[in-house]
Amino acid sequence: QKEVEQNSGPLSVPEGAIASLNCTYSDRGSQSFFWYRQYSGKSPELIMFIYSNGDKEDGRFTAQLNKASQYVSLLIRDSQPSDSATYLCAVNIQTGANNLFFGTGTRLTVIP
Amino acid sequence: GAVVSQHPSWVICKSGTSVKIECRSLDFQATTMFWYRQFPKQSLMLMATSNEGSKATYEQGVEKDKFLINHASLTLSTLTVTSAHPEDSSFYICSASWGRGTDTQYFGPGTRLTVL
Repeated sequence: QKEVEQNSGPLSVPEGAIASLNCTYSDRGSQSFFWYRQYSGKSPELIMFIYSNGDKEDGRFTAQLNKASQYVSLLIRDSQPSDSATYLCAVNIQTGANNLFFGTGTRLTVIP
Repeated sequence: GAVVSQHPSWVICKSGTSVKIECRSLDFQATTMFWYRQFPKQSLMLMATSNEGSKATYEQGVEKDKFLINHASLTLSTLTVTSAHPEDSSFYICSASWGRGTDTQYFGPGTRLTVL
């Protein structure tokens, strides 16, 4: 079983809609969860991180964490064509270490 | 803040030669730096983790004698691909973390290596 799993997509949403990206992880002891965005040919850029159960909002982005279900998601409101990218979920599985385990990413396309 | 640079951004070299890639944290001290490799349409693959002043920890399957990592200071880590071959052609990305209770990694822009 992979440590971090994401649906590879592609996920297509119309402009202005809400895009929902999902991620599950295997280690119940995981503490830190990150969402990165990667444009084609570029390196990942941090969107946001979340440590506690519940929702965390930053502009049009909302991260949702449910540790009981081992599930973390990213919602993008009012999706724009510029949001079209691959979204990587990353989880710190090892307590006390700072290695991140990355999912394979979900390709999002926002259709104008 | 938390800016990481890499140099060069792209490099083309002949098979058998060595290539050095630099990763610098510009506005913070990075206690830990990471080196990743990414092939087209694939996810990031962690190659090694390095802490300043210590030997790098390599992931399984990564040859430490082929991919030499030096983390001589809190702001600089280098990756040297020795005796490069066409199969080493890839996108190499470093990231840095300042530790101190945070495990957030900030990525450099990446180096695209093409070995002819």
